[in-house]
Amino acid sequence: SQQGEEDPQALSIQEGENATMNCSYKTSINNLQWYRQNSGRGLVHLILIRSNEREKHSGRLRVTLDTSKKSSSLLITASRAADTASYFCAPRSYQKVTFGTGTKLQVIP
Amino acid sequence: GAGVSQSPSNKVTEKGKDVELRCDPISGHTALYWYRQSLGQGLEFLIYFQGNSAPDKSGLPSDRFSAERTGGSVSTLTIQRTQQEDSAVYLCASSSGEGSNTEAFFGQGTRLTVV
Repeated sequence: SQQGEEDPQALSIQEGENATMNCSYKTSINNLQWYRQNSGRGLVHLILIRSNEREKHSGRLRVTLDTSKKSSSLLITASRAADTASYFCAPRSYQKVTFGTGTKLQVIP
Repeated sequence: GAGVSQSPSNKVTEKGKDVELRCDPISGHTALYWYRQSLGQGLEFLIYFQGNSAPDKSGLPSDRFSAERTGGSVSTLTIQRTQQEDSAVYLCASSSGEGSNTEAFFGQGTRLTVV
């Protein structure tokens, strides 16, 4: 299975702090994607990092990938209350997309 | 349409009844996925369609669950003889199907409540 596992399961921080979430997986991948889910509805794609990349930035998001350790991290800098959501990683080696249980992030104003 | 559309948004049904959930993917997307999410849980993969290939049904929890995709576009997830444990949000997603370097676009889901 290419399913990733996120860690921690839950994270609570103050607004303005940075939030770091981790993802571990077991198989070789072509890329790894991070998604966000608000209020238990549809997921929204945040960022994709390819297997030959080590770090990628998008706005306040920073993603790292270590293929030797089969792990990735998502850093949200200067968090806002609106960042409160669940975050899921999706390691991809082929078309099928599967998800873990996610990290529930709560940003306290 | 502009995005993935699911209907109905909410469905309340009596135990033992059959239900049909519909998903309209983004036009031109060849890959379509169904997931189930119970309250406070992660996404459970159910089934995946890719073009004209045989669907990957490995995630369907029982033979009460089935799905079809007509004409490579609209998909219907059918749950027969619903049970209370079927209560969940059912999410559909589609992608362009051009390999793994594509993103999945999600609908807003159907919240199914079995009473």
